[in-house]
Amino acid sequence: DGGITQSPKYLFRKEGQNVTLSCEQNLNHDAMYWYRQDPGQGLRLIYYSQIVNDFQKGDIAEGYSVSREKKESFPLTVTSAQKNPTAFYLCASSIIQGAGNQPQHFGDGTRLSIL
Amino acid sequence: GNSVTQMEGPVTLSEEAFLTINCTYTATGYPSLFWYVQYPGEGLQLLLKATKADDKGSNKGFEATYRKETTSFHLEKGSVQVSDSAVYFCAPSPGSSNTGKLIFGQGTTLQVKP
Repeated sequence: DGGITQSPKYLFRKEGQNVTLSCEQNLNHDAMYWYRQDPGQGLRLIYYSQIVNDFQKGDIAEGYSVSREKKESFPLTVTSAQKNPTAFYLCASSIIQGAGNQPQHFGDGTRLSIL
Repeated sequence: GNSVTQMEGPVTLSEEAFLTINCTYTATGYPSLFWYVQYPGEGLQLLLKATKADDKGSNKGFEATYRKETTSFHLEKGSVQVSDSAVYFCAPSPGSSNTGKLIFGQGTTLQVKP
């Protein structure tokens, strides 16, 4: 079955440490997205990418970095500059043709906590 | 700017009750409209969508009609089940955008009691 796989499901970060969240999709989608979800709140866009080797900042990009070296993969690094990283992180993808009419498909998320 | 407003939760209903979750939006251009559902500890799943005025999206007994004149996309279900307990997100996609970006509301938690 096609879908989006996020790993790990749970992740712990020590002070001053960078951690990387994995997101892989086999849907052949061009666009991929990273969101942050805090308890009782909606989703906030961190970064998105419409094509390999290109990505744009979303609304809350500070303290995060991404890469898009392959169409299938869009890893997110939470750097030590992100002072409040505890949250649920969701990755999504969509096709880009007629993008405004296309839904995003989501992974099951990674829950990041501070040790 | 682009924004979406959902009714605040939690919404608590008894099984077989009628559900309405209100959603209104402001968006540039002519947005497509989506409802997503999130079960505890999981990602979001697309529930239904509508891409033009007066379209009705439907799935699993849920319905929502694209009302351009009132910029609304209210979610309804005639008879809820305990298994419908989840968080529901209304998400327009701005018509002026070619990036596929969505605007998410804060979500509405639905609790259905037996």
